[in-house]
This record gives sequence, structure tokens and C-alpha cells, in this order.
Amino acid sequence: GESVGLHLPTLSVQEGDNSIINCAYSNSASDYFIWYKQESGKGPQFIIDIRSNMDKRQGQRVTVLLNKTVKHLSLQIAATQPGDSAVYFCAETGGTDKLIFGTGTRLQVFP
Amino acid sequence: EPEVTQTPSHQVTQMGQEVILRCVPISNHLYFYWYRQILGQKVEFLVSFYNNEISEKSEIFDDQFSVERPDGSNFTLKIRSTKLEDSAMYFCASSRVSGNTEAFFGQGTRLTVV
Repeated sequence: GESVGLHLPTLSVQEGDNSIINCAYSNSASDYFIWYKQESGKGPQFIIDIRSNMDKRQGQRVTVLLNKTVKHLSLQIAATQPGDSAVYFCAETGGTDKLIFGTGTRLQVFP
Repeated sequence: EPEVTQTPSHQVTQMGQEVILRCVPISNHLYFYWYRQILGQKVEFLVSFYNNEISEKSEIFDDQFSVERPDGSNFTLKIRSTKLEDSAMYFCASSRVSGNTEAFFGQGTRLTVV
């Protein structure tokens, strides 16, 4: 189980730099992956998704990479801005209705 | 842009009391979900709901929990007899189709059990 007050990994980047947030998933049957952004006091906000038949997908300033061999997912944010500061969660689903969320990474952007 | 709305934003209740958390999913969505997030922890799945019945539930969703879609717009989560450990943020989500598709989340209800 998890302890109360789980310490989130934190990534600190300077404004304008690129950010890379990583996620490892455990279920090899998972076939759909989503990155969510959660700002303080708010609900998870969809950023980008990718299906298991792809290894890369690009959005506006964001790219998701999927490596099914090592069950690894990453989110790349280009030209990181102060408004990108938040907790980022990866989530997976294996054909069922539920999303399984990862632990989350806190992104801090400093000027 | 359509959004999932939840009320209230914050609910304080005494241990043992019943609470009902309310959600209005996006209007053309057919699949509805409740998740919870204990402070500082990850988001956990509670239940999914489709066609007026539960389609999947987690081990957290025990007999104290129930969900209902009382009319064409609302989706509620009821906790019959709250415990201290039920204190968490509760998020409602909805999606147009099931499984492999984007789920939209509400802003959450912070439930504090005292």
C-alpha cells in the first residue's frame, strides 16, 4: 500500500527549457495511455493521449513517447512556461472503463 | 467548451453521516465515473457507470458507496456512513465512449469527515 503524504518526484526547469516527465506502467495489456495535468485544487486536465499501436504523438508544445518494450511513457513539453507548473499524471487503461493513474510528477518552472 | 461540473466544492460532515456528492457530466457523454484522491496521493478509480448500471467498481467501492443517475443530467455518489478515511477529493468524470478515449474530469468536491 501507499503511505499518507506520498512524496512526489519533482522536476524543476527554467522557463524556456524543455521538460521531460517519465512514467513506468506495469500492465502489458494496457493499450491506451493519457497524460493529465493537475493544478492545485483542480481536477485532472487532459493533455495528450496515445494508443499502443503508436510510439509517438505530438500536440501543441507536447509530445508523448511510448516504449512498449520497457513499458515506459514520457511527456515532453517544449519551451516550458510558468503556466505549465502543475502535477502531471500518466494514466493507462487496458480496454476496461477505468483509468489507472501513476503517482505523479510535480513540475516546477522558475524564471 | 463543455465541462463536467461538481457540487459542492467543499463538504464537511461528521463521521457516520450520509453525504451525497453531485455531478453534471457533459451532455452527450454516456459513460460516467467517480474517482477519489486522498491528499498527496494519486487519483484512484472508484466506479464506472453506463446505461443506468455500474459497469465496473474497485475494492474501495464497498457497500457504503452507491451511485445513481436520478434524471437525465445528474450523476451522484452517496456515502452512507462516512468514516474519517473517506476524507479526500472526489472527482467525477465522463466520456463519450468507454475505455480507450478521453475522460473529462470535474473540478472535484473536497470531502472532509470530522
